[in-house]
Amino acid sequence: QVTLKESGPGILQPSQTLSLTCSFSGFSLSTYGMCVGWIRQSSGKGLEWLANIWWNDDKYYNPSLKNRLTISKDTSNNQAFLKITNMDTADTATYYCARNAGAYWGQGTLVTVSS
Amino acid sequence: DIQMTQSPSSLPASLGDRVTITCRASQDIGNYLRWFQQKPGKSPRLMIYGATNLAAGVPSRFSGSRSGSDYSLTISSLESEDMADYYCLQSKESPFTFGSGTKLEIK
Repeated sequence: QVTLKESGPGILQPSQTLSLTCSFSGFSLSTYGMCVGWIRQSSGKGLEWLANIWWNDDKYYNPSLKNRLTISKDTSNNQAFLKITNMDTADTATYYCARNAGAYWGQGTLVTVSS
Repeated sequence: DIQMTQSPSSLPASLGDRVTITCRASQDIGNYLRWFQQKPGKSPRLMIYGATNLAAGVPSRFSGSRSGSDYSLTISSLESEDMADYYCLQSKESPFTFGSGTKLEIK
């Protein structure tokens, strides 16, 4: 049974760096073809795919945020990570992780940027 | 990057109606097209993958089709539980990209 769960700070101040963790079970990110992505959704808005990391450590970023994003993984502990630098109030959103183009999703974690 | 143009943004419909939502890809994505349903406060749910394949547990009134670079999600007979937001996603190239979404609501 595949499960994913996001964790994050909940709230942070403008200009700070956001660190998110996706803890998953039921699959391994070292298995050929596996991919974990990060997606966000601002309140009342659409879905925005942020970044992917593949089993072979290939990484891809949304060009509109590329300079601010870093995705990584810890295969041994079944975790994937996303860092976003220089957070702004416009980055307030629910952040999701998902496996393989959305076949499975976490429940999401709300991140609020406020001074 | 591949852009996905989704329409309509809002779709008022009545129970029992046949409804169709469309996404157009800016480049060739083959059949690397997925449809998601999202209800308020919930994570998206995969409905269709490979443009035409029904995901596990999805009712048969949902179907996906492709005509060139146009991809469609059709609900043959709308039920109350289908009222939700729907998004397409291209997974041909990373980073993947979503359509802008369609809000399906009761007329």
